[in-house]
Amino acid sequence: GAGVSQSPRYKVTKRGQDVALRCDPISGHVSLYWYRQALGQGPEFLTYFNYEAQQDKSGLPNDRFSAERPEGSISTLTIQRTEQRDSAMYRCASSPGPYNEQFFGPGTRLTVL
Amino acid sequence: AQTVTQSQPEMSVQEAETVTLSCTYDTSESDYYLFWYKQPPSRQMILVIRQEAYKQQNATENRFSVNFQKAAKSFSLKISDSQLGDAAMYFCAYRSQETSGSRLTFGEGTQLTVNP
Repeated sequence: GAGVSQSPRYKVTKRGQDVALRCDPISGHVSLYWYRQALGQGPEFLTYFNYEAQQDKSGLPNDRFSAERPEGSISTLTIQRTEQRDSAMYRCASSPGPYNEQFFGPGTRLTVL
Repeated sequence: AQTVTQSQPEMSVQEAETVTLSCTYDTSESDYYLFWYKQPPSRQMILVIRQEAYKQQNATENRFSVNFQKAAKSFSLKISDSQLGDAAMYFCAYRSQETSGSRLTFGEGTQLTVNP
């Protein structure tokens, strides 16, 4: 079956622009997670949802970052007024439930010039 | 907060030999899972093996096995009969089954090179 998909795969933007990153989880998966991975480092947790409810957003670095999952399926991570330090791979993962295996998408490589 | 430490930024092994990757973690919780993920050059994240803290028996998946020492908070990965396709970045990860929610906390990674 189809895995987790993310779009776009690559995004280049100029400093100060807003970007929206999309995650399409595996059908039927209740839980959805966002992580950020800098080059040469492990992924860092940003936020997660069960259905449409945002359960934990403690990993979001500042108020320029927000996420939503309005219908409990597709999720969007939005970064406002991007800065060069936001450049990283943004990964989405989904799981059947909160304590099941997380399946990762291919990631969106964000470059802020 | 839980932390995961991988003290070996790079490791290398000869094809067909055995290599062990180290991981230590810090937690005050008693119910949790530990994982090893593989990230090849394609940068996908592939689950290699998992271990539940309550299980004393070390997990094994084909050529991959773990040495889980709960008291020492150590969780090493052994790869036997190494193959060229094992070359990748390997991440150790922790997931609470208690109060911290279901997020994964990752270590910094170990880059494994397999020499022919």
